[in-house]
Amino acid sequence: EAGVVQSPRYKIIEKKQPVAFWCNPISGHNTLYWYLQNLGQGPELLIRYENEEAVDDSQLPKDRFSAERLKGVDSTLKIQPAELGDSAVYLCASRTGGENTGELFFGEGSRLTVL
Amino acid sequence: AQSVTQLGSHVSVSEGALVLLRCNYSSSVPPYLFWYVQYPNQGLQLLLKYTTGATLVKGINGFEAEFKKSETSFHLTKPSAHMSDAAEYFCAVSVNTGGFKTIFGAGTRLFVKA
Repeated sequence: EAGVVQSPRYKIIEKKQPVAFWCNPISGHNTLYWYLQNLGQGPELLIRYENEEAVDDSQLPKDRFSAERLKGVDSTLKIQPAELGDSAVYLCASRTGGENTGELFFGEGSRLTVL
Repeated sequence: AQSVTQLGSHVSVSEGALVLLRCNYSSSVPPYLFWYVQYPNQGLQLLLKYTTGATLVKGINGFEAEFKKSETSFHLTKPSAHMSDAAEYFCAVSVNTGGFKTIFGAGTRLFVKA
């Protein structure tokens, strides 16, 4: 079974440029998360989807960040325009829906460097 | 609201020595507790979890953790460290409030000396 797939793994851009990250969760996983991980820190939730609905986006900086999960499967996270402080790893995770123990399955992350 | 505190951003042990990584949590509802490990340039992978039942849980690679409700702790241990255990370890608490919300600690980097 394929795991959570993210792309690109690495991205270097100049400030004020746009950038997009893509995530394909494990097949059948209804819940998808985007986390931000700064160097030396734990992951911080940006947004959580239940199928195609964003049910928790309170930590997403909506002035420059946007996300979508149009068909309830794969998802895209966009930053426009990027700032120097956005340099971080963007992690996607998924889990099965319904009652379970909340275990998350993570992709390898997309490392963003803003110059 | 829930929170996680990991005591010690860095822990260094000798190969063969006991590994102890500390985690304390707070939660207004009964939580599920997790330890994840992250190797360089990789995502997080589950080491072990506590949901209900037995408070001592065993995970992969010889790690185990004990849930102590009275101390609100979930410390991670391994009797004998291997070089391959060098990684970043994250404690996490998850609560189901109409969907699981998972909060991570800041992480503890484990160094293993030969």
